[in-house]
Amino acid sequence: SAVISQKPSRDICQRGTSLTIQCQVDSQVTMMFWYRQQPGQSLTLIATANQGSEATYESGFVIDKFPISRPNLTFSTLTVSNMSPEDSSIYLCSVLIPTVDYINYGYTFGSGTRLTVV
Amino acid sequence: QQQVKQSPQSLIVQKGGISIINCAYENTAFDYFPWYQQFPGKGPALLIAIRPDVSEKKEGRFTISFNKSAKQFSLHIMDSQPGDSATYFCAASTGNNDMRFGAGTRLTVKP
Repeated sequence: SAVISQKPSRDICQRGTSLTIQCQVDSQVTMMFWYRQQPGQSLTLIATANQGSEATYESGFVIDKFPISRPNLTFSTLTVSNMSPEDSSIYLCSVLIPTVDYINYGYTFGSGTRLTVV
Repeated sequence: QQQVKQSPQSLIVQKGGISIINCAYENTAFDYFPWYQQFPGKGPALLIAIRPDVSEKKEGRFTISFNKSAKQFSLHIMDSQPGDSATYFCAASTGNNDMRFGAGTRLTVKP
């Protein structure tokens, strides 16, 4: 399975500022996903980022607020723009390792970035 | 977005007991059903997964039971241990695509 390094692991930010979260994978992957997990809640998909194409955003998430870059097959960034306290959450990147058998090599998650907006 | 319904929200089990978590889905296009285990401060980790062509998959103390006609699947943790205390998420996806998660179950195994 892949190993994902996500930075920063946590941050406290002032409202109105922006934070860029980095996701580095130790192998080349086609599909990367960004999720948000509010404290004690489930995971909500923000967008799917494929290398070489525009990210696809889920309902309720827009590019102006959550711009994503995917410059190569091992790296992606998610920016949380013009932050407000409602953006306080854990942000996770995830990758899908393509294999015939999804059972053993499915989705791998980073440890997440815990963001607090004050 | 929540296309997978999970219950219970929390569960307390005695050490050695059986923990059972249930999930239901509507989208018949889902063809991959994993369970994730998440410890505080960590990302979810794949625990066990099943495809709809089998009704049960067992790995050690963890078993997934799958009922395609009822569109339900469940996780059974046999001989539950305090180290199993975590939040468990069921999920579903359509092939090479994104993942939809259940709301999560916070499991506490008491010694």
